[in-house]
Amino acid sequence: SQQGEEDPQALSIQEGENATMNCSYKTSINNLQWYRQNSGRGLVHLILIRSNEREKHSGRLRVTLDTSKKSSSLLITASRAADTASYFCPPMGVTGGGNKLTFGTGTQLKVEL
Amino acid sequence: NAGVTQTPKFQVLKTGQSMTLQCAQDMNHNSMYWYRQDPGMGLRLIYYSASEGTTDKGEVPNGYNVSRLNKREFSLRLESAAPSQTSVYFCASSTEISNQPQHFGDGTRLSIL
Repeated sequence: SQQGEEDPQALSIQEGENATMNCSYKTSINNLQWYRQNSGRGLVHLILIRSNEREKHSGRLRVTLDTSKKSSSLLITASRAADTASYFCPPMGVTGGGNKLTFGTGTQLKVEL
Repeated sequence: NAGVTQTPKFQVLKTGQSMTLQCAQDMNHNSMYWYRQDPGMGLRLIYYSASEGTTDKGEVPNGYNVSRLNKREFSLRLESAAPSQTSVYFCASSTEISNQPQHFGDGTRLSIL
């Protein structure tokens, strides 16, 4: 299974601003998932976007997928202090690997009051 | 609904001691996973179990053994702990169906002196 590469490594914004983080991968995918990890906690699944989807929304989250560029983005609108966390984007490959995921180092988002 | 439960939450061992990390899920998932997370790195897959009765090596299996005790439980054993195994260990589970997320426990923080 391949890993997603999150960019930037770190992002600091003010509460109420929007946060955008990007993800790139190398080979064809079945889907791409976004996870959040708050400090000292396990990962929480946010959104799964399938390869035939271009955009998906969940509350304040908007995820896009461009399979021609092998990239995805996560937009968090009207950020809150509680959004401070690390964000990961493991892709799931088309063939083999089962449901295994490979995680990159993530984007560390800090939302300041 | 507890989801994925890991025990213990914290543990300190001396080099050479053995230890079993426990993981249980109550979501009737077929697949279970063990990861480790080190500072500045993403999660790395140690072992996984696609279904009850099967286990397979992941990216970093050396020094570890696993047991899929039943559908609910998947344990990770360190036979002779080494300082390099100091890490945070996460257990996760998922259905075997594609396009489904993994669900994570809150981790076991293990220090080996």
